[in-house]
Amino acid sequence: EAQVTQNPRYLITVTGKKLTVTCSQNMNHEYMSWYRQDPGLGLRQIYYSMNVEVTDKGDVPEGYKVSRKEKRNFPLILESPSPNQTSLYFCASSFMVNTEAFFGQGTRLTVV
Amino acid sequence: GESVGLHLPTLSVQEGDNSIINCAYSNSASDYFIWYKQESGKGPQFIIDIRSNMDKRQGQRVTVLLNKTVKHLSLQIAATQPGDSAVYFCAENNGGDKIIFGKGTRLHILP
Repeated sequence: EAQVTQNPRYLITVTGKKLTVTCSQNMNHEYMSWYRQDPGLGLRQIYYSMNVEVTDKGDVPEGYKVSRKEKRNFPLILESPSPNQTSLYFCASSFMVNTEAFFGQGTRLTVV
Repeated sequence: GESVGLHLPTLSVQEGDNSIINCAYSNSASDYFIWYKQESGKGPQFIIDIRSNMDKRQGQRVTVLLNKTVKHLSLQIAATQPGDSAVYFCAENNGGDKIIFGKGTRLHILP
């Protein structure tokens, strides 16, 4: 089954404690991206990757890092989480930027 | 700020009627547009897309219309059903590397 898998689905952490949210896709897609979703603000792109070892900033990259060492995986790293990063996060993948994207189920992160 | 927006944050439609969800965009260079549906507790799901060389595209019960003159996009859902209740997002790509999403419209289906 074609899918994008994120883990964990829910996470509560404390300020400053490094965390990683994993994302994996099984469709051999080249384009992957991370979004955060906040009430009234819709989906905002954090980082994206055009292919292996190619990553770039989206609209809200501050406080986040990503890596793309393999085509299927695109982890999101918060080196020092802060309460303003409390949000719902989605990973997505597609063949190219201008084709249909498949989204993961989301990760609800709370930073206290 | 985002270049893609929506005219109405919430839309209520009688079951069986047609729904029309609107979207305005500001970047005339945008050449790819896409609609997603997000049900409660789930990630967005693709509905339909359209490229700028077209002004209309139809799917199963859905139609997307693109008016490049006024930079307007709409999603029409025929014979709206309870399962259509969701938040609908439009998104655009301006030929670059990013996808920009609108803020979403919540569709309520009235019995």
